[in-house]
Amino acid sequence: DAMVIQNPRYQVTQFGKPVTLSCSQTLNHNVMYWYQQKSSQAPKLLFHYYDKDFNNEADTPDNFQSRRPNTSFCFLDIRSPGLGDAAMYLCATSRGGGYEQYFGPGTRLTVT
Amino acid sequence: AQRVTQPEKLLSVFKGAPVELKCNYSYSGSPELFWYVQYSRQRLQLLLRHISRESIKGFTADLNKGETSFHLKKPFAQEEDSAMYYCALSFNSGGGADGLTFGKGTHLIIQP
Repeated sequence: DAMVIQNPRYQVTQFGKPVTLSCSQTLNHNVMYWYQQKSSQAPKLLFHYYDKDFNNEADTPDNFQSRRPNTSFCFLDIRSPGLGDAAMYLCATSRGGGYEQYFGPGTRLTVT
Repeated sequence: AQRVTQPEKLLSVFKGAPVELKCNYSYSGSPELFWYVQYSRQRLQLLLRHISRESIKGFTADLNKGETSFHLKKPFAQEEDSAMYYCALSFNSGGGADGLTFGKGTHLIIQP
């Protein structure tokens, strides 16, 4: 089945230690998104790639970066995780504006 | 900035009873609204969108621009409807893609 895959499903990192979350898709969609969802909060868009073009939301902290080496993969890098970055990170894909977004299962990040 | 409000964190109804999950939004542009659902241990998935005006799994939602609402309704609840429901508003996040602004979600529990 075509789908959106996130690895790992659970990630534990130490305060200040860089961490990378991975997302891959077999849908061949143009757009890949990263959302952050803190406990009992709404998912919040961090940034997205439309093909190779990166679009950052204005209030996304500089601590968060992303890479998309090819159509299938997209990475979320957190340079120096703080305790406040503990959250569920959701990857989503779509064909573009106006199309449905397809979500991965999420990676739950714990910062110790 | 756009905002989506779901006033009920938890809604519990009996099987066979009508269900209404409330959603209100604020957005300066022409709104495009969605309902996403997350069943236990599953990923977030699209339930319905206002432009399609269709009924999915017996659920309907009507966009009321005067009241800035997009409430989700079902006349007779079923146990398999138990899930987390998110209302979402599409916005132009740049580069030809649309991001989603989500509400905090309503946990719907259908009691037998």
